[in-house]
Amino acid sequence: GAGVSQTPSNKVTEKGKYVELRCDPISGHTALYWYRQSLGQGPEFLIYFQGTGAADDSGLPNDRFFAVRPEGSVSTLKIQRTERGDSAVYLCASSLTGGASGQETQYFGPGTRLLVL
Amino acid sequence: GQNIDQPTEMTATEGAIVQINCTYQTSGFNGLFWYQQHAGEAPTFLSYNVLDGLEEKGRFSSFLSRSKGYSYLLLKELQMKDSASYLCAVRTRGSNYQLIWGAGTKLIIKP
Repeated sequence: GAGVSQTPSNKVTEKGKYVELRCDPISGHTALYWYRQSLGQGPEFLIYFQGTGAADDSGLPNDRFFAVRPEGSVSTLKIQRTERGDSAVYLCASSLTGGASGQETQYFGPGTRLLVL
Repeated sequence: GQNIDQPTEMTATEGAIVQINCTYQTSGFNGLFWYQQHAGEAPTFLSYNVLDGLEEKGRFSSFLSRSKGYSYLLLKELQMKDSASYLCAVRTRGSNYQLIWGAGTKLIIKP
């Protein structure tokens, strides 16, 4: 079956511009996660959706970052007034329920490599 | 604070065995995951431990000691394709999003 997909795979933008990153989770997965990963580091949690609602957005670094999931499936991460420090790989993951039952696993997409010049 | 420690880089020989250690200090514990990440690709799930002991899955095994805050991933019969980063992550609470991630161990396999 289809895994998690993300578009675009690469995005180059100029400082101050607005960008949108899209994530299409595995069909039927209610939980969706956004992470940011810098070179040589583990994923850094940004936001978690359970269905359509953001259950926890405490990882968003500041108010320039926003994410939506209006129909409980596809999600968009939006970054306003981009800064050079926003350059990273943005990973999206989904899991079946978001609960902690057994080894419920997060399945990751290939990521979007964002470069802010 | 909460932290997870892993060696930054390890080197091993094709056909050999390698053990990658992970130590953690977290405010709660509800399972430990190992993920593999090839350069430029997404992390992929390898193993999960929630009780003490060894979980074996083919060439890969993972061990957990909750009292010591310690886990290791054991890779046997190493192949060149095993060259990747290996990430340790601890689920701290009852919800799956609360994972604390290590920085990963880059494993280099030499012929």
